[in-house]
Amino acid sequence: AQSVTQLGSHVSVSEGALVLLRCNYSSSVPPYLFWYVQYPNQGLQLLLKYTSAATLVKGINGFEAEFKKSETSFHLTKPSAHMSDAAEYFCAVSARSGGYQKVTFGIGTKLQVIP
Amino acid sequence: DTAVSQTPKYLVTQMGNDKSIKCEQNLGHDTMYWYKQDSKKFLKIMFSYNNKELIINETVPNRFSPKSPDKAHLNLHINSLELGDSAVYFCASSPYRGGQGSLETQYFGPGTRLLVL
Repeated sequence: AQSVTQLGSHVSVSEGALVLLRCNYSSSVPPYLFWYVQYPNQGLQLLLKYTSAATLVKGINGFEAEFKKSETSFHLTKPSAHMSDAAEYFCAVSARSGGYQKVTFGIGTKLQVIP
Repeated sequence: DTAVSQTPKYLVTQMGNDKSIKCEQNLGHDTMYWYKQDSKKFLKIMFSYNNKELIINETVPNRFSPKSPDKAHLNLHINSLELGDSAVYFCASSPYRGGQGSLETQYFGPGTRLLVL
């Protein structure tokens, strides 16, 4: 069984401040981990994904995430928040189910950026 | 140009009605999904099809029946709609590459906002 826990359903940061969105996972096999972003009234789009090639993963829009096996974490960071970063962020873990992909999403973290 | 499209975008209907949501992807992907996102933004897999074959069927009432006429389309039919069915339904697709099946990015449609009155 696999699961994802996102700590903090709402995070507020000032424009220009560090963004840190937390994600911890549970998986019985080596995990594949994703961060997706959902802007208002839109579908989800991929920010970045961990595929075991490198523990520090860089994504779009200046976001990055670090896979830490010892902490079972995959936190998302961005050095300087921009107003356009305000959105809902979902951490997800993927594993095979009968040879196919099954993705389990976290509950999401809503990021508010204050001017 | 749209990679994954869904129709309709909004659907308002009465309890007890039957409705369908359509999904099409032009990415050439083999695998398609239906997700339900509730009012708290929780996203849960409902179904997954690979090349028209059902491969994931989560605990979903049998009032929900997916149909995949070809690998580019995955429709969702809902019978006897209930208040609790109100949610945003997302279609998604991903490529299938055999043993690498856990690595693929999913591409989401814009969602269908269903409101049951």
